[in-house]
Amino acid sequence: DTGVSQDPRHKITKRGQNVTFRCDPISEHNRLYWYRQTLGQGPEFLTYFQNEAQLEKSRLLSDRFSAERPKGSFSTLEIQRTEQGDSAMYLCASTRGGLTYEQYFGPGTRLTVT
Amino acid sequence: RKEVEQDPGPFNVPEGATVAFNCTYSNSASQSFFWYRQDCRKEPKLLMSVYSSGNEDGRFTAQLNRASQYISLLIRDSKLSDSATYLCVVNSGSSASKIIFGSGTRLSIRP
Repeated sequence: DTGVSQDPRHKITKRGQNVTFRCDPISEHNRLYWYRQTLGQGPEFLTYFQNEAQLEKSRLLSDRFSAERPKGSFSTLEIQRTEQGDSAMYLCASTRGGLTYEQYFGPGTRLTVT
Repeated sequence: RKEVEQDPGPFNVPEGATVAFNCTYSNSASQSFFWYRQDCRKEPKLLMSVYSSGNEDGRFTAQLNRASQYISLLIRDSKLSDSATYLCVVNSGSSASKIIFGSGTRLSIRP
């Protein structure tokens, strides 16, 4: 399968715990995006990377959230001290780069904070 | 004001009908426009890009109106399988690579 993959697909955690999600983009894509989606809403932009550089972060991304893409390939999104309001679907997407902005999404990681 | 706004619907139309959605965007510097489709509990998938001259793909037609800052999607001869949420997507303009989604318009096709 050469699409975008995300791991885990589901995560249930208790409030206050830390969680980390992984995204593997399509191999030749150099831009990688993270979004958060709650029921009835469209994906909300969190951050994106051009290769290993994190170029923009949303104000939604509080200091409890951090994302990395250390070698310009896979990316991780960590949430520290989770809160119930963090419960959502976390989506990763990648694009080829240059002037191409068509995004290909992974299946998402559904986070439930109890 | 949200950067991208859509009528949430739901639009409930009979099979075979023509249905149209509009989406407005706030940043006049935006250059890239797309429609995505999202099925329940699935990830969004690219439906079509929207070009300045408009474009058509089978039963689907997308148009861009820069003066009024909106894009539209027209679905002709709707099928039951068209039932989904349709997401309007725009690059933010301030950063060409920042891609913003609307909240989506729900479409339900009834037999």
